[in-house]
Amino acid sequence: DTEVTQTPKHLVMGMTNKKSLKCEQHMGHRAMYWYKQKAKKPPELMFVYSYEKLSINESVPSRFSPECPNSSLLNLHLHALQPEDSALYLCASSPYQGSIAKNIQYFGAGTRLSVL
Amino acid sequence: KNQVEQSPQSLIILEGKNCTLQCNYTVSPFSNLRWYKQDTGRGPVSLTIMTFSENTKSNGRYTATLDADTKQSSLHITASQLSDSASYICVVRGNSGGYQKVTFGTGTKLQVIP
Repeated sequence: DTEVTQTPKHLVMGMTNKKSLKCEQHMGHRAMYWYKQKAKKPPELMFVYSYEKLSINESVPSRFSPECPNSSLLNLHLHALQPEDSALYLCASSPYQGSIAKNIQYFGAGTRLSVL
Repeated sequence: KNQVEQSPQSLIILEGKNCTLQCNYTVSPFSNLRWYKQDTGRGPVSLTIMTFSENTKSNGRYTATLDADTKQSSLHITASQLSDSASYICVVRGNSGGYQKVTFGTGTKLQVIP
């Protein structure tokens, strides 16, 4: 199984809603990532979790709240978002942090988020 | 500042033709470089990964080259197919320790037409 599964595929929410994005992998990877991708732009790193601990927060606004309940799951909790937060949210995982040759990130298909 | 620049921004080619995409980077010290293919609305899929000592790597009809001296990489696609239509992203990792932070290129949008 080399899949990173993201749910839901599409999400429409109002600015006062609270919603969560979910990411799951069963490859035994110990690093997991959230990226935000706007149309025609490369992905932008948001958060990195290493061994279920938040290791990197790229100065993301607090209306985005990541959570890693276990080594296979990564959530992104959303609250009071703005219309400019509409984007494709990608989750990725990788097997190691320190092993250069093995450091391939496997991406999920993404969640297309629209904030009204 | 670490940067990865790709050219051309977009490219249209006829089915069956070859094409070459370019990637120039300033990431230093260099660790590895990857090419990803991203279909519209989907997550990126890794095509190749190259480390400092590798000059060429192939994956089917995709061949990537790396010149670490000039900090350039290319992705050559042979006998293009309609399914090759996608964005191709060059991603470079700097060797700054155990932290997995990468720099994404701006991508080349390839369209293969019949």
